[in-house]
Amino acid sequence: KAGVTQTPRYLIKTRGQQVTLSCSPISGHRSVSWYQQTPGQGLQFLFEYFSETQRNKGNFPGRFSGRQFSNSRSEMNVSTLELGDSALYLCASSLAGANNEQFFGPGTRLTVL
Amino acid sequence: GENVEQHPSTLSVQEGDSAVIKCTYSDSASNYFPWYKQELGKRPQLIIDIRSNVGEKKDQRIAVTLNKTAKHFSLHITETQPEDSAVYFCAAHNTGYQKVTFGTGTKLQVIP
Repeated sequence: KAGVTQTPRYLIKTRGQQVTLSCSPISGHRSVSWYQQTPGQGLQFLFEYFSETQRNKGNFPGRFSGRQFSNSRSEMNVSTLELGDSALYLCASSLAGANNEQFFGPGTRLTVL
Repeated sequence: GENVEQHPSTLSVQEGDSAVIKCTYSDSASNYFPWYKQELGKRPQLIIDIRSNVGEKKDQRIAVTLNKTAKHFSLHITETQPEDSAVYFCAAHNTGYQKVTFGTGTKLQVIP
């Protein structure tokens, strides 16, 4: 079956702008998690959605938000971009959440100038 | 919150030798511990996982051990090959609260 897909793959924005990233999970997977990956910080958990509800949130400012649709596709939004938001944003899907294997998407590389 | 420490941050081994990566976690309620391999420019992929009711699990050259009392778990790779070169991440899941915390990664280099 098709893997996790993310769009766009690359994005260049300027400070102050906002951005929306999209994630399509594996068919049948209801949980989608988002992570920020940077060279110095590794993988930082942003939030997790299950059946359109955010079940958990990491330690990121309110500028980072997300949502999940009825077909399990998820989007994350970052408003008022800062230089430090430059990172690889990965989403991962699983059948039901933290007790199941997560399958990662290829990521969206966001560069903030 | 959960804190996961991973050591070492870099590891170089000769081809054929063994490699060991260790992680410690702080949340005693964590109960699922996967290991991911991320090759350069690629997505993380699960290579092995262990649940809190098991002490050890093997899959060919890869094994993971878990010590719940000490709150640490380790990845063991035997007979390393150049294609094992990658960044390895451990993670600790608290399935009750749907929380996942990753270690900071270990860059493994296998020298031919």
